[in-house]
Amino acid sequence: GDSVTQMEGPVTLSEEAFLTINCTYTATGYPSLFWYVQYPGEGLQLLLKATKADDKGSNKGFEATYRKETTSFHLEKGSVQVSDSAVYFCALRNAGNMLTFGGGTRLMVKP
Amino acid sequence: NAGVMQNPRHLVRRRGQEARLRCSPMKGHSHVYWYRQLPEEGLKFMVYLQKENIIDESGMPKERFSAEFPKEGPSILRIQQVVRGDSAAYFCASSLGQAGNIQYFGAGTRLSVL
Repeated sequence: GDSVTQMEGPVTLSEEAFLTINCTYTATGYPSLFWYVQYPGEGLQLLLKATKADDKGSNKGFEATYRKETTSFHLEKGSVQVSDSAVYFCALRNAGNMLTFGGGTRLMVKP
Repeated sequence: NAGVMQNPRHLVRRRGQEARLRCSPMKGHSHVYWYRQLPEEGLKFMVYLQKENIIDESGMPKERFSAEFPKEGPSILRIQQVVRGDSAAYFCASSLGQAGNIQYFGAGTRLSVL
């Protein structure tokens, strides 16, 4: 079945540091890929998405590129802020329409 | 434009009681999904419903759990005879249609079983 693997956290960075959170997937067919963010005590918010190979999703300074050859969708940001502290989930959606999530990566940004 | 509304936000039950979790989708959305998040884990799909229909319940435990999305009113996730292992955050998402549509999530219901 489909699966998503993302790097374990927590990831602790200083403000303005470069962020990478790795995400790889296993799926049949051609899934759509997503990054969701969860702030403390809240539900998930869609951060960005990509629907086909080589697509780049971007939002709020975050970017991720759909790499079919490496089955990856790594999340990057050039300069993190304290307000980016949250849990980040990589997910895929295949033909069945439900989302398959990775285990989540907690990001902590220190001033 | 209200988002996906879940209630209650927090629910405490004793072992053996019933838990009923409600989800009102975004206006105009006719597809609802339930996911469960165990402590320190990612979300796991449970069930996908349209109005009056269960489309996919492959992630639902075979016993004690049921879900509905009636023609009128919210979607309900029902857990009978709760056990401590049911303690988790339950998230509902809704989408406008099927393939290609974004799922929007509610804030979740945190169930604690004593």
